[in-house]
Amino acid sequence: EDQVTQSPEALRLQEGESSSLNCSYTVSGLRGLFWYRQDPGKGPEFLFTLYSAGEEKEKERLKATLTKKESFLHITAPKPEDSATYLCAVHPGGGSQGNLIFGKGTKLSVKP
Amino acid sequence: ETGVTQTPRHLVMGMTNKKSLKCEQHLGHNAMYWYKQSAKKPLELMFVYNFKEQTENNSVPSRFSPECPNSSHLFLHLHTLQPEDSALYLCASSPTGTADTQYFGPGTRLTVL
Repeated sequence: EDQVTQSPEALRLQEGESSSLNCSYTVSGLRGLFWYRQDPGKGPEFLFTLYSAGEEKEKERLKATLTKKESFLHITAPKPEDSATYLCAVHPGGGSQGNLIFGKGTKLSVKP
Repeated sequence: ETGVTQTPRHLVMGMTNKKSLKCEQHLGHNAMYWYKQSAKKPLELMFVYNFKEQTENNSVPSRFSPECPNSSHLFLHLHTLQPEDSALYLCASSPTGTADTQYFGPGTRLTVL
């Protein structure tokens, strides 16, 4: 069964304290892995798409990496405004088109 | 308006009411999606439309009825809902519907009394 697991469920950091969020996946082939940021009461905001192992993408303080079994979202010197829930989703190789499988998310809190 | 918009943003309804959620995308995309987001659960895909044709119905109860009159508009008609249907309902769109990036609207917070 296709599955996406994110860890930790919640993460508290001090401002400037770098860390990583994990997204491990078990799918029958991978057509894409997606990272989103979601603020309370709002829709997910797209961050990155990764398609193949070894691929990396960066945006401001965020860097996403991908291996054959997992993806990491590295946060360098976070600020309070980085506080949000970060969602990981995968598009498996088989199955229906457009069918993204989401993890439960990691809730990040950054304290000043 | 830009991106994906949803109305209303908040909705409270009784179990016997009939209401509709509306989604509009201004991105020129051809695929649109409905998701349900409940507390402590991952986003659940409900329906997928590609070029106005429904391509996915993820075992959703018939009290949820989607409608896609064109590639820019998507509706979710609701009737005789249950309290457990209370959730954030999210609409998304993507260019082609084939493993491409989906862009989400702000959601409708639904409460069923």
